[in-house]
Amino acid sequence: GAVVSQHPSRVICKSGTSVKIECRSLDFQATTMFWYRQFPKQSLMLMATSNEGSKATYEQGVEKDKFLINHASLTLSTLTVTSAHPEDSSFYICSARDFSAGASYEQYFGPGTRLTVT
Amino acid sequence: GESVGLHLPTLSVQEGDNSIINCAYSNSASDYFIWYKQESGKGPQFIIDIRSNMDKRQGQRVTVLLNKTVKHLSLQIAATQPGDSAVYFCAENIRRAGKSTFGDGTTLTVKP
Repeated sequence: GAVVSQHPSRVICKSGTSVKIECRSLDFQATTMFWYRQFPKQSLMLMATSNEGSKATYEQGVEKDKFLINHASLTLSTLTVTSAHPEDSSFYICSARDFSAGASYEQYFGPGTRLTVT
Repeated sequence: GESVGLHLPTLSVQEGDNSIINCAYSNSASDYFIWYKQESGKGPQFIIDIRSNMDKRQGQRVTVLLNKTVKHLSLQIAATQPGDSAVYFCAENIRRAGKSTFGDGTTLTVKP
């Protein structure tokens, strides 16, 4: 299957700083990527849909000015957590889907990024 | 809002037994359903999917059943192995939209 990578896998930052997380589709072009957040022992919650060349679509309750998403190319989406606070500590997971003709409906998930804000 | 939920949060089985994990969904517009396995500290791993025009699909040691009448989905794992121990999520999806809504997750523990 297709591969999605994330970088970094783990990051620790101080409260008030910003952190950027990258999501890359390695062997296919992803016009759309999805960002999820997962707190311990909880399910994945969709934060936003990242569209190449246009603005991201955020889910209800997700602050777009705090979680900046940029999808500048067909293989890269970035999530920047601005002015991070301890409550932003979580596991951030991206996924990508190949919307090209004939592609499956499968969503390919990255390995996740563990963010700890101190 | 729409949600996907699981009936049991934990399931413990003996190695070699069959496992059944259940899931309820609520969005009647969903037309694609997926089961994922997630190990600690890792991203979800695709197990099997099923479209809404089917009621059963089989993979290697896994079977997914879909009952649209009662909006219920199940995952059956045959001859469960210790390596199957993980959290299992069902997810519902509208194919044209692509994004998935995840259920709460069931922790499967396989006892040797």
